[in-house]
Amino acid sequence: ELKVEQNPLFLSMQEGKNYTIYCNYSTTSDRLYWYRQDPGKSLESLFVLLSNGAVKQEGRLMASLDTKARLSTLHITAAVHDLSATYFCAVDFNTGNQFYFGTGTSLTVIP
Amino acid sequence: NAGVTQTPKFQVLKTGQSMTLQCAQDMNHEYMSWYRQDPGMGLRLIHYSVGAGITDQGEVPNGYNVSRSTTEDFPLRLLSAAPSQTSVYFCASSFRGREQFFGPGTRLTVL
Repeated sequence: ELKVEQNPLFLSMQEGKNYTIYCNYSTTSDRLYWYRQDPGKSLESLFVLLSNGAVKQEGRLMASLDTKARLSTLHITAAVHDLSATYFCAVDFNTGNQFYFGTGTSLTVIP
Repeated sequence: NAGVTQTPKFQVLKTGQSMTLQCAQDMNHEYMSWYRQDPGMGLRLIHYSVGAGITDQGEVPNGYNVSRSTTEDFPLRLLSAAPSQTSVYFCASSFRGREQFFGPGTRLTVL
């Protein structure tokens, strides 16, 4: 079964703290994507990870991909309120551009 | 570029009615997809297309039809609306292997 799991589902953190969101997937893939969604809005692409060991960074967010462990992480450094949103990972299981999404991690950064 | 556009933004239907959700993109992307987003379930793929004239089913295709007569347009038809189809619908497009660009969404309520 093609499955993508994220944890935690909900994350409340204080400003200035660090935390990691995890994305596990069920079978081989070397294409993983991270998106951000603000309440009531559409999804916005954050990172595209296309090979084992890929690491991408943008501001306080850093994403990495370990295809052998079937795991991607989204690390948040020194969180700020503007990072409050829902974060989704999505995997292309090489089935013809079908993307499977995780259930999302709802992040709230508390001042 | 307008990116990915969707109409309407909101729609209320009665059970049994049919309607078409419109999606268009101006980025010459070959891949287009329709998703539904329900609370706690992430995004689930309904149908997708890898080019004009080619469509295929995703994870939850029942009750929906699609066609792709041009590269730009990918309408989603609800054949006979049911309350279980109450959801937010997103259309997305991409080049093969690249991140998807999402439309603003259509919020559908079926009474």
